[in-house]
Amino acid sequence: DAGVIQSPRHEVTEMGQEVTLRCKPISGHNSLFWYRQTMMRGLELLIYFNNNVPIDDSGMPEDRFSAKMPNASFSTLKIQPSEPRDSAVYFCATAYREGSTDTQYFGPGTRLTVL
Amino acid sequence: AQSVAQPEDQVNVAEGNPLTVKCTYSVSGNPYLFWYVQYPNRGLQFLLKYITGDNLVKGSYGFEAEFNKSQTSFHLKKPSALVSDSALYFCAVRGFKTIFGAGTRLFVKA
Repeated sequence: DAGVIQSPRHEVTEMGQEVTLRCKPISGHNSLFWYRQTMMRGLELLIYFNNNVPIDDSGMPEDRFSAKMPNASFSTLKIQPSEPRDSAVYFCATAYREGSTDTQYFGPGTRLTVL
Repeated sequence: AQSVAQPEDQVNVAEGNPLTVKCTYSVSGNPYLFWYVQYPNRGLQFLLKYITGDNLVKGSYGFEAEFNKSQTSFHLKKPSALVSDSALYFCAVRGFKTIFGAGTRLFVKA
């Protein structure tokens, strides 16, 4: 298996631009998580989906952030408009939710720089 | 409410010596506990987890963790550290959702 695939791996954009991050989960996994990692705040859970349905989006910073999972094979995290404080590494992780014992498998991350 | 704490920002150990990375947790009900490792410019990788049963859990790369219910701890251990073990280690607890600790940077000196 190729593991969790994220694209792009690096994104540099200017303040105010729209940014779309993409994630392809491991085949068969039914839970998907978006995280943000910064030196200051550590690893933050933004949102997670179970069977393509958003379960908890309480970590989404503000309305500029949105996430979708149109099918079991694809998810996007969009920031519109982007701001310099959004600069971070964004990780997608997926899991096969078996009761409460799900182990998460992380993608390589997208390093976002907003100028 | 659930929470997880990693009291040390960094742990320094000499190669060949035993290492311990500490983790304490708070969760309602039975705890499901995890350790992950992150190498530079990589995503987190699963090391081991405790669900139930034996309090000593063995994982990848020679790591193990000891679950202590009375102390609400789940410390990560390895009998003999390698330079290649140098990385960022995260403890996580699964209640309603998975919560990750702030991470502990392990530095193994040759």
